[in-house]
Amino acid sequence: SAVISQKPSRDICQRGTSLTIQCQVDSQVTMMFWYRQQPGQSLTLIATANQGSEATYESGFVIDKFPISRPNLTFSTLTVSNMSPEDSSIYLCSVLHSGTGGGTDTQYFGPGTRLTVL
Amino acid sequence: GEDVEQSLFLSVREGDSSVINCTYTDSSSTYLYWYKQEPGAGLQLLTYIFSNMDMKQDQRLTVLLNKKDKHLSLRIADTQTGDSAIYFCAESIGGSARQLTFGSGTQLTVLP
Repeated sequence: SAVISQKPSRDICQRGTSLTIQCQVDSQVTMMFWYRQQPGQSLTLIATANQGSEATYESGFVIDKFPISRPNLTFSTLTVSNMSPEDSSIYLCSVLHSGTGGGTDTQYFGPGTRLTVL
Repeated sequence: GEDVEQSLFLSVREGDSSVINCTYTDSSSTYLYWYKQEPGAGLQLLTYIFSNMDMKQDQRLTVLLNKKDKHLSLRIADTQTGDSAIYFCAESIGGSARQLTFGSGTQLTVLP
């Protein structure tokens, strides 16, 4: 498995400001993902972050609103820009962990960042 | 398109068995996963099952897969209060965990 940490764990922000969320993993991984979980909802994939290339965004998400950095194989950041109350969500990063012993590859998740926008 | 459905709520008495159900639509799904999310926390991978298997058991957890009906279930034996959480099933798209589609989650409440 992989141990993943996120900072901050929670924050309360004012409308119009930006917040950068950090994700750190304890081993080198090729693929990292950023998800949004709106209150009472399931997870929606925002983008896939690959080291050394631009992030790949899902439909409905754009780089100007959610810029992502992936400077190395153990770290990524997601910025939520020009925030509005609709951005209040839990933001989760995950990593793709290669299967061993014939097992499948799996995604392991960080603890999440709970964002409230006033 | 891909769609994964779960019932939203389940309540059981402590010590009883819990059965959480999930239906999926992508017949090419190779692996199906169960995740647990405790309040205020991220998702914890509980178990997964390969699509050519009917059943997988891991301690108190039993996963049953009916591929013909595209039906997946998670049985928790001897349910404890610590099992109270939201449980998500997820299907892999195209046979890789690179693309997962998650269900809406089932809120399991364990009553004393």
